[in-house]
Amino acid sequence: QLQLRESGPGLVKPSETLSLTCTVSGGSISSSGYYWGWIRQPPGEGLEWIGSIYYSGTTYYNPSLKSRVTISVDTSKNQFSLKLSSVTAADTALYYCARQVGAGKYYFDYWGQGTLVTVSS
Amino acid sequence: QSALTQPASVSGSPGQSITISCTGTSSDVGSYNLVSWYQQHPGKAPKVMIYEVSERPSGVSNRFSGSKSGNTASLTISGLQAEDEADYYCCSHAGRSTVTFGGGTKLTVL
Repeated sequence: QLQLRESGPGLVKPSETLSLTCTVSGGSISSSGYYWGWIRQPPGEGLEWIGSIYYSGTTYYNPSLKSRVTISVDTSKNQFSLKLSSVTAADTALYYCARQVGAGKYYFDYWGQGTLVTVSS
Repeated sequence: QSALTQPASVSGSPGQSITISCTGTSSDVGSYNLVSWYQQHPGKAPKVMIYEVSERPSGVSNRFSGSKSGNTASLTISGLQAEDEADYYCCSHAGRSTVTFGGGTKLTVL
């Protein structure tokens, strides 16, 4: 059974860079036909797609966040990572990593449990 | 890229049917048959219930169905059960391999 687990600091200071890692187990991040994505959910609010990456390194980002986001992949560790720069309180959210079905389908079929990141001094 | 529009809340009694709408534009919902729906219970990760407008993943009850007309997609839940009470989100491909979510709808089973 595929499992995803987010990890990283739960508290980040304003203007600094948020860094999270998603570790995939029970399957290979190099499987063809799947992307690996980050989605966030501010407390009490809805879901927002941040971006996705293919194991080859091809990335797609939400245009509204693109200038601050970098997603990378480490196939040797079966992990992918998120960096969000110049954070503010508005970036406080539960951050999920998820597998995104490719081949033109674009839906998320496996999700991590999420990790809460608070932006505060 | 703007969020898709969903009603903030819907409600229904056990056994009834409800429909949740998801309105986008000709750049997302209207252009692609790539709408998915997610169920999220409090404190839990979202779970995909429908993909490609009307396809159900293995294990999802056939009480859940999806459709689309123009720029609006819909999720219908028939034979409403207490366990269906949750938040529901639609999501659509929005071009150039990007996706956008709806604002979410809280379903209350009366």
